[in-house]
Amino acid sequence: EAQLVESGGGLVQPGGSLRLSCVASGFNPNTCWMDWIRQAPGKGLEWVASINEDGRGTYYADSVKGRFTISRDSAKNSLSLQMNSLRAEDTAVYYCASEYTCGHWGQGARVTVSS
Amino acid sequence: QAVVTQEPSLTVSPGGTVTLTCASNTGAVTSSHLAYWFQQKPGQAPRTLIYDVINKHSWTPARFSGSLLGDKAALTLSGAQTEDEADYYCMLLYGGARVFGGGTKLTVL
Repeated sequence: EAQLVESGGGLVQPGGSLRLSCVASGFNPNTCWMDWIRQAPGKGLEWVASINEDGRGTYYADSVKGRFTISRDSAKNSLSLQMNSLRAEDTAVYYCASEYTCGHWGQGARVTVSS
Repeated sequence: QAVVTQEPSLTVSPGGTVTLTCASNTGAVTSSHLAYWFQQKPGQAPRTLIYDVINKHSWTPARFSGSLLGDKAALTLSGAQTEDEADYYCMLLYGGARVFGGGTKLTVL
């Protein structure tokens, strides 16, 4: 069964850092762009960042540019999101997702930024 | 940054047909936007129904179809079932950036 599994969520103080990871199994994620997408409590989906197949192209929403870094490790079939200078408004469930012909989503990792 | 607009809510009768749309404030939605459609049920992660305007995944029920309709992307549900009650989101690509619509809450009643 194809799946994406996120880890690394939790409670962090404003200004702190957190690293999310996502591991794929049951399919080859290295043929697809990968995304981080978040959903604040009671809100809609918000695109956070994307990375292309070979990892050399990265793109970010304005709201996280300069604070978040997306990366992937093709050997480990994994995706990461390094989040620095976290703010209260970054509180959300963070999903990793694969695009185009891959199409899979993880179950989400909850990130809470609060003092 | 572009703004993508969807109907906030729609209602369809069981067995009926409904079309959800996805508009861009930058102009007409075209094939270059590679429109995606996602379904999210309460308490669950989203799942991808449609990619690149018309393409379905193996798990996409046949009653869902994607298209370009006028200057918008569209998701049509033909033969609605109660299990289709959910939030639906479109996503458009603007080069490397992606923008989600605000979502449509679909009620099957």
